[in-house]
Amino acid sequence: ILNVEQSPQSLHVQEGDSTNFTCSFPSSNFYALHWYRWETAKSPEALFVMTLNGDEKKKGRISATLNTKEGYSYLYIKGSQPEDSATYLCAFTPAGGTSYGKLTFGQGTILTVHP
Amino acid sequence: KAGVTQTPRYLIKTRGQQVTLSCSPISGHRSVSWYQQTPGQGLQFLFEYFSETQRNKGNFPGRFSGRQFSNSRSEMNVSTLELGDSALYLCASSSHASGGITDTQYFGPGTRLTVL
Repeated sequence: ILNVEQSPQSLHVQEGDSTNFTCSFPSSNFYALHWYRWETAKSPEALFVMTLNGDEKKKGRISATLNTKEGYSYLYIKGSQPEDSATYLCAFTPAGGTSYGKLTFGQGTILTVHP
Repeated sequence: KAGVTQTPRYLIKTRGQQVTLSCSPISGHRSVSWYQQTPGQGLQFLFEYFSETQRNKGNFPGRFSGRQFSNSRSEMNVSTLELGDSALYLCASSSHASGGITDTQYFGPGTRLTVL
């Protein structure tokens, strides 16, 4: 059983604060790590796909890093805005043919940004 | 390009009935994956189809089945519905450009199924 853990479960910040969350995954047999943002009543939106140890990805005020040797990824949001309020999900893909089309998701971090 | 669409958006069924959900992928995408989202379990993988073939399956009972058509549209069927099948069902499509493992999956808005 693959365990993908995210922390914290929820987070309340003020507008303008910078914040970060953690995704932990099995370090053995790693293939890819995905980050999604899921706003209420919308479809999950892909943020990043990361495959290499040390990878850093950036999209606007959001960035992510990857450490495959120790099995964790960080998502950072700089200068949070109310529109950043959403659930942030990470999903792990192990190597191997049984991984086709299968993402194993963490429970998510619910971010609320207060004006 | 139009995004992934799912129909219907909401469904209410009673125990013992069966239900069919539909998913239309992004044009040109050949892989479709299905997920179930419940408050307690989060997003759980159901199965994945590529070129009309099921390539991968999650740990769900045989009551959950699916298929994919030649135009890549996919359906999933749940027979003999149980109360615990109440959930949001999401489908996602990908282009398979990276061989099917690291491709970004693009999600639809989901179908909310309520079983009474």
